[in-house]
Amino acid sequence: EIVMTQSPATLSVSPGERATLSCRASQSVSSNLAWYQQKPGQAPRLLIYGASTRATGIPARFSGSGSGIEFTLAISSLQSEDFAVYYCQQYNNWPRTFGQGTKVEIK
Amino acid sequence: QVTLRESGPALVKPTQTLTLTCTFSGFSLSTSEMCVSWIRQPPGKALEWLARIDWDDDKLYSTSLKTRLTISKDTSKNQVVLTMTNMDPVDTATYYCARGRNYVDYWGQGTLVAVSS
Repeated sequence: EIVMTQSPATLSVSPGERATLSCRASQSVSSNLAWYQQKPGQAPRLLIYGASTRATGIPARFSGSGSGIEFTLAISSLQSEDFAVYYCQQYNNWPRTFGQGTKVEIK
Repeated sequence: QVTLRESGPALVKPTQTLTLTCTFSGFSLSTSEMCVSWIRQPPGKALEWLARIDWDDDKLYSTSLKTRLTISKDTSKNQVVLTMTNMDPVDTATYYCARGRNYVDYWGQGTLVAVSS
C-alpha cells in the first residue's frame, strides 16, 4: 500500500499571501495524484487531478505540480474561503490512499 | 446534475453489521467506466477509501478491511450498498458515497455512523 505523507500538518498564512503544501508518496505514483479541499462539516471537493490539471470551476490561483514521489499544491493569493484542510490522494495503485491532510489556517 | 446520497443507521452496536445505501442520480452505473466508491473519515482524521464497484461489477476493497466489507449494486435502482461486519467503536466515522474510478469528482454529503453499546 502506498503511503502518502503531507507537510506541514498546519500552515498559518495571512490572507493574500501564497501557500505551498507538500505531498510525498512512499513510491512513485507517476502523475496519478489528486488534491482535495475540505471545509468543516462538508465533503471534500476535488481541486486538482493528474497532478496539475484543475477540476471544473476551480480558480486559477490553485496550481499543482510534481511527479513521481514529490508533489506540491500552491495557492497563489489566499482568499478567506481557502482556509480549509487539503488532502492529496494517489490513484496509481489500489488501494487508493490519502495523505493525512494539511490544515491551512489564518495567521 | 450528479448527486449522491447516503442512508443508513446513525448508531450501531459493537459486533453488529452496518448496511449503508448510496442512492445516486445524474449518471448510470451501467455506463462504461463508471464507478462508485465508499470512503470514510473518522472524526478529526483523514480519509480512507473502503471499496469500489465498477460498471462491469468488478469490486475492489481496502486491503485492511476486505474481510469485513461487501459492496454491491442495483443498477435499475441507481443504488450501491456497502455492508461492514463486526463493527467496532474505531469504525465510528462519516461514511461518504462517491463517484470516481481514480479520483472523486462527486461526493455525497456523508452520513455519520457511531459505534457504541
